[in-house]
Amino acid sequence: DAGVTQSPTHLIKTRGQHVTLRCSPISGHKSVSWYQQVLGQGPQFIFQYYEKEERGRGNFPDRFSARQFPNYSSELNVNALLLGDSALYLCASSLEADYGYTFGSGTRLTVV
Amino acid sequence: AQSVTQPDIHITVSEGASLELRCNYSYGATPYLFWYVQSPGQGLQLLLKYFSGDTLVQGIKGFEAEFKRSQSSFNLRKPSVHWSDAAEYFCAVGPYGQNFVFGPGTRLSVLP
Repeated sequence: DAGVTQSPTHLIKTRGQHVTLRCSPISGHKSVSWYQQVLGQGPQFIFQYYEKEERGRGNFPDRFSARQFPNYSSELNVNALLLGDSALYLCASSLEADYGYTFGSGTRLTVV
Repeated sequence: AQSVTQPDIHITVSEGASLELRCNYSYGATPYLFWYVQSPGQGLQLLLKYFSGDTLVQGIKGFEAEFKRSQSSFNLRKPSVHWSDAAEYFCAVGPYGQNFVFGPGTRLSVLP
C-alpha cells in the first residue's frame, strides 16, 4: 500500500513568490494535517482538514492557506514567501477512528 | 495550553547499551501521547502511542514507553540500542482527532 505521498520533494523559491505543496493521503484516510518543521525544531501544526472541512488552524499568518479535495488529497499554499518560510513541510493523514498520524517524507522548501 | 518538553537535546550511547529518552508534557485533560522517530531528511515514523489502559506501551523496533500520570511523563526506552537507531526522536501530545504539539526533539547518536 502506498503511504502518504508529497510533491514536490524539494523546491527553491524566491522571496515574494507563491508556492503550492501537494499531499495524497493513505487510501481511505479522510483526515489530512500539515506541519512545518524548521531545521532543528519539532514540527509545528499549520492546518487540519477532515472530510474537506477545516478542523483546526495553527498560529500561522493568513499567507498560509490549504484545502482538501473530494478525493481527500490536499494542497498547502503559501503566498508572499519570506526567508523564514524555509522549512520541511510535512503532511500527515489518519483514519477517522485511528488516533495516530502517518506522515509523508515532506517537501523541503528553500526560500532565497 | 498543551506543551511538551524533551530535556535532552542530544544523547550519545554505545551500541548495545540501554536507552531512555525523557518526555514531559503539560495538558489539561487525558492526553494522547506519541513517540515519533525521524531519520535525516526523512518524514516522521510512529514508534508507539498511548491512549488509555496499560501504562506500559510496546512499539516497533523494540521500543517501549511508560506513561506516568503523576509525573506527567512519557519516557521512551530500549534495552539494547542498535547503530540504526541513530536519529531524531520526537514526543507529541494531543487530544483525540486534533492537532498535536511536538516537543523539540532529542538527537540520538550511537557509538560503535
